[in-house]
Amino acid sequence: QKEVEQNSGPLSVPEGAIASLNCTYSDRGSQSFFWYRQYSGKSPELIMFIYSNGDKEDGRFTAQLNKASQYVSLLIRDSQPSDSATYLCAVNRGIVGGYNKLIFGAGTRLAVHP
Amino acid sequence: ETGVTQSPTHLIKTRGQQVTLRCSSQSGHNTVSWYQQALGQGPQFIFQYYREEENGRGNFPPRFSGLQFPNYSSELNVNALELDDSALYLCASSLGGTGGFTEAFFGQGTRLTVV
Repeated sequence: QKEVEQNSGPLSVPEGAIASLNCTYSDRGSQSFFWYRQYSGKSPELIMFIYSNGDKEDGRFTAQLNKASQYVSLLIRDSQPSDSATYLCAVNRGIVGGYNKLIFGAGTRLAVHP
Repeated sequence: ETGVTQSPTHLIKTRGQQVTLRCSSQSGHNTVSWYQQALGQGPQFIFQYYREEENGRGNFPPRFSGLQFPNYSSELNVNALELDDSALYLCASSLGGTGGFTEAFFGQGTRLTVV
């Protein structure tokens, strides 16, 4: 079992729709969770991070965390063609005094079509 | 812009050679992590430097080594390059000592091709 799993996609949604990206993780000790966006040939760009159960909203993006189910998701409202990219989910075990190792999923490719 | 800069952006090396990649961390950050991203994969953790010391390492052989300088910039060195080392190398800057509740920002990456 991979530590962080994502559906590779592509997830295809029409412009203006809600895109829902999902991620599961295996380590119950994981403390913080990150979503990065990566355009082809570019480096990952941080969208949001979350560490408490529930929802966290930032503009068109909402991250949802359910630690009991070991599940984190990202919703993108009013999807735009410019949102077409690979979305990487990452988790951090968050050992106090330890190191900030991010474990990434392989990413979900999102395609928003006009 | 994240304020994290990497150099060079692209590099071509021959198998068996050695390479040094460089990273300048974001102002106020004391931790630099290095990741390797193969095509179609998520980034894989190589190691991390916190206050000039390596304090975490992923599943990479000893020919991957690094340094962090007093200004928190960092180098990644890879010896005896192999074809499978061809990848995008990413540097991430963060504030350490927070138990993981911190954001990590990536530089633009170095695309290494080994031929």
